[in-house]
Amino acid sequence: EVQLVESGGGLVQPGGSLRLSCAASGFTFNNYSMNWVRQAPGKGLEWVSSISRLSSYIYYADSVKGRFTISRDNAKNSLFLQMNSLRVEDTAVYYCASENRVWGQGTLVTVSS
Amino acid sequence: DIQMTQSPSTLSASVGDRVTITCRASQSISSWLAWYQQKPGKAPKVLIYDASRLESGVPSRFSGSGSGTEFTLTISSLQPDDFATYYCQQYYSYFLSFGGGTKVEIK
Repeated sequence: EVQLVESGGGLVQPGGSLRLSCAASGFTFNNYSMNWVRQAPGKGLEWVSSISRLSSYIYYADSVKGRFTISRDNAKNSLFLQMNSLRVEDTAVYYCASENRVWGQGTLVTVSS
Repeated sequence: DIQMTQSPSTLSASVGDRVTITCRASQSISSWLAWYQQKPGKAPKVLIYDASRLESGVPSRFSGSGSGTEFTLTISSLQPDDFATYYCQQYYSYFLSFGGGTKVEIK
């Protein structure tokens, strides 16, 4: 079965850090670029970051640039998002999504004191 | 950055109605556009990609058209399972972007 499974979400204080993971299965992970997309409570979808197949090209939304770092481990079919200096406005469900249109179920990140 | 504008933001319709949602891009994106359906508490589900290609397993009542800057998603005969929020997304640019969403409600 083709699937993506996110993990690592949780409650963190403003200024804190969190690392999200996304495990891929059922498709050739290193053939596709990968993305993180988030959705704040009651809001629309917001693209966060993208990484190319071999990590040669990396892009960030202005809202997270300098605070978030995307990476991938093709040997382990895994995608990561290191989130530092978290803000209340980063509270959202974070989805990983592949270039071949597979989405995970999402993981909730709550930034609150 | 490419801005995506969807209209309407809310749509009230009845079962059996033909429904059309519009998405406009701030610059030409060729046919690099996808449409998603999202239900509360669930991940988005791809309906259409490359502007008009139906994703495997998606009912044929869904169709997409357009190219350049103007795109439409059409549901030919609205079914009870179709009441949801719909988003367009461009992938012409590596800086992906989504429309603001269209909520399809029961009339």
